[in-house]
Amino acid sequence: AQKVTQAQTEISVVEKEDVTLDCVYETRDTTYYLFWYKQPPSGELVFLIRRNSFDEQNEISGRYSWNFQKSTSSFNFTITASQVVDSAVYFCALSEEDNTDKLIFGTGTRLQVFP
Amino acid sequence: EAGVVQSPRYKIIEKKQPVAFWCNPISGHNTLYWYLQNLGQGPELLIRYENEEAVDDSQLPKDRFSAERLKGVDSTLKIQPAELGDSAVYLCASSLDPQTTDTQYFGPGTRLTVL
Repeated sequence: AQKVTQAQTEISVVEKEDVTLDCVYETRDTTYYLFWYKQPPSGELVFLIRRNSFDEQNEISGRYSWNFQKSTSSFNFTITASQVVDSAVYFCALSEEDNTDKLIFGTGTRLQVFP
Repeated sequence: EAGVVQSPRYKIIEKKQPVAFWCNPISGHNTLYWYLQNLGQGPELLIRYENEEAVDDSQLPKDRFSAERLKGVDSTLKIQPAELGDSAVYLCASSLDPQTTDTQYFGPGTRLTVL
């Protein structure tokens, strides 16, 4: 069965610290897609990244980077030099080949960045 | 480009009352989704539309919930009658082309409180 686990319920850091949000997934499919979304206090889920299961290259976008490791079924998200504006709830999600439209979300990690 | 629009943003009702939520997807997006997000949880899919057709409503509690997307553009989700346990955030999302595992873009949600 498909499942996404975000074991970190809440993380607090001070501005400029680096922080890594963990995501572990379960799926029987060989083709699947992984996502990260950000949910700021306004409530809207903001798309950050999509990665397919055949692309294990790590990705960097500004202060954001993602580490995809199939061997450990993990898709971790690192924010470098965190800022107060990064404070939000971050969700990892999975969709499978036979139902690519159905996103399975984790329970989210609340990140608080203090000045 | 305008994002997904939802209204109202907040709704407080007494139990057993009806309530309706409205969503207007991003222009040109054929696929529309309604999600339920309970406090401290990730969103869970309620129903998915491709144009006017509901293609996945397996998670929609049909005894009290209904949805429609009559002209394949905006959509309404209704609860009648509402129960205390329906208090949650109802999120709408849209995507361009489900055949390409297109990214889902979310609206700000409607926060429902049932008293």
